[in-house]
Amino acid sequence: KNQVEQSPQSLIILEGKNCTLQCNYTVSPFSNLRWYKQDTGRGPVSLTIMTFSENTKSNGRYTATLDADTKQSSLHITASQLSDSASYICAGGFKTIFGAGTRLFVKA
Amino acid sequence: GAVVSQHPSWVICKSGTSVKIECRSLDFQATTMFWYRQFPKQSLMLMATSNEGSKATYEQGVEKDKFLINHASLTLSTLTVTSAHPEDSSFYICSASERRAQYFGPGTRLLVL
Repeated sequence: KNQVEQSPQSLIILEGKNCTLQCNYTVSPFSNLRWYKQDTGRGPVSLTIMTFSENTKSNGRYTATLDADTKQSSLHITASQLSDSASYICAGGFKTIFGAGTRLFVKA
Repeated sequence: GAVVSQHPSWVICKSGTSVKIECRSLDFQATTMFWYRQFPKQSLMLMATSNEGSKATYEQGVEKDKFLINHASLTLSTLTVTSAHPEDSSFYICSASERRAQYFGPGTRLLVL
């Protein structure tokens, strides 16, 4: 069954701290794995795109990792800012399957 | 980067009326566009894949006669929710692909009274 599972469902951190979000995927065929940031009431914005041959990819303070063997990915956010408060969605597969997202709250 | 726009951004309508949502790729041509629906605190669910000049491909469980999709040009796709009912109230998001990337519109919030 094609599915993407994310954890945790929600996360609260203090401004300036780092955090890591997890994604487990079982999608076939696998083409690429993507991380998106979605602000409330807005469409998702792409953060990273990785093919199965890529282990890590960075975009500013966002770093995504991919382990194709264990079918796991993570998104690491460094030095969090208040504006990082949003839902972070993992998606994968040729026919993109989206996870339910991790809702991140960054507190001052 | 590539920009995808949607119009309107939000709409309130009476039950039984039809609502049209437009999706435009502003600075690139998109042979394929996608329509998603997202309920509160849930993931995006693909409704249909819209191909320019041909019929849309609908996902299982999505009524093609209720959600009419027209992809008239390489920069415009429309989704018409026909005879809308309160259970159709949701956040509708379109996206368009350019190379490997998928760009999303800002979404349209539909409220059916």
